[in-house]
Formats: sequence, structure tokens, C-alpha cells
Amino acid sequence: EAGVTQFPSHSVIEKGQTVTLRCDPISGHDNLYWYRRVMGKEIKFLLHFVKESKQDESGMPNNRFLAERTGGTYSTLKVQPAELEDSGVYFCASSQDPGTAAFFGQGTRLTVV
Amino acid sequence: RKEVEQDPGPFNVPEGATVAFNCTYSNSASQSFFWYRQDCRKEPKLLMSVYSSGNEDGRFTAQLNRASQYISLLIRDSKLSDSATYLCVVFSGGYNKLIFGAGTRLAVHP
Repeated sequence: EAGVTQFPSHSVIEKGQTVTLRCDPISGHDNLYWYRRVMGKEIKFLLHFVKESKQDESGMPNNRFLAERTGGTYSTLKVQPAELEDSGVYFCASSQDPGTAAFFGQGTRLTVV
Repeated sequence: RKEVEQDPGPFNVPEGATVAFNCTYSNSASQSFFWYRQDCRKEPKLLMSVYSSGNEDGRFTAQLNRASQYISLLIRDSKLSDSATYLCVVFSGGYNKLIFGAGTRLAVHP
């Protein structure tokens, strides 16, 4: 069974550009989460989808970040325009039922220069 | 105060040693608890869920103390391959978000 996959694995962009990260959850997992780890800090929650609906987006830093999950399958996280402080590793995770363990993708390492 | 707190370590132990990590959480409404393991520049991987009655998986034992709001992980007979960062993770009330501790680094040496 395929795990959570994320694309790209690395992205280097200039300040002011746009980047879109993609996450394909484990098939059949309704719950999809985005997390971010900034250098030297703990992993922080960004948002949670249940199918195509945003259940909780309290962790989104600001309106430069937009997450979508059209059709309730894969999800995208767009950063527009990117700022230097957006650099970090963005993880996606999915789980079958709320409250159960989530499985993580390998992450996208974003560097904004 | 952080919602999930862990001693960052590092814990440097010889092979074969027993090592224990503790973690405290502040939200008494938390329902689900986990230990994840993260290797350098890799994603977090589930090590084990933590149940109220305590649970064991091979050399790993997890305990939950709801009254004191702490979770522990015991590793027996440490192996070199156990070297990693161990993340204490708690589902907040409402099951919307996993809250991560900053992690405890373990280094097992020969």
C-alpha cells in the first residue's frame, strides 16, 4: 500500500514568488493534515481537512497560505507571495479516523532566498 | 507554556542501556497520545500509540498518567539503530490537530 506522498521533495524559490506543494494521502484516509517545521522549532500544525472540508485552519500563518483539497483526495498548499520566514519543511499526514495515528509524507523542504 | 513539553536531551547512552523519556501535556481534554520517531532530515514515523493501561511493543514500553498529565517511553536494551529524536505527540480535544513536543534526542553509542 502506498504511503503519503509529497511533491516536490525540495523547492528553492525567490522571495515574492509562488510555490505550490502537493500531498497525496493514503487511499481511503479522509483526514489530511498539513504541518510545518521551521529550523530549530517543533513541528507546528497548519490545518486539517476532513474530505474536502477544512475542519481547522487555525495554524495557518497568514493569508499568503492557501490550502485546498478539491474532491477530497489530494491536497495542495500554495504560498503566495513567499517570504524568507516561510522556509522550512512542510509535512503532510493522513489518518483514517479522527484521533487515530497519522502517517506522514517525506516532507517538502522549502527554501526562500 | 507549551502544550506538550519534553526534555530535549540529548541522552547519550551505551548499547544495551535502558533509557526513559517523559513528556507532559497541558490540555486535560486530550484523548489520544503517541510516540513518534524522527531520524535526521526524515519524516516522523509512528513508534507506538499510548494507552491508559500502558502498552509494550518489544523493547519499548509506553505509559500514560492522566492524573499527572504525563506520558513516558522506556527503551530497553538500546541498539545503535535507536539513535533518533523521539517526539511526544498529543491529539488536542476535538481531534483536529496533533500537537508535537520539541522532541528528545537519543544517541546510542557502542
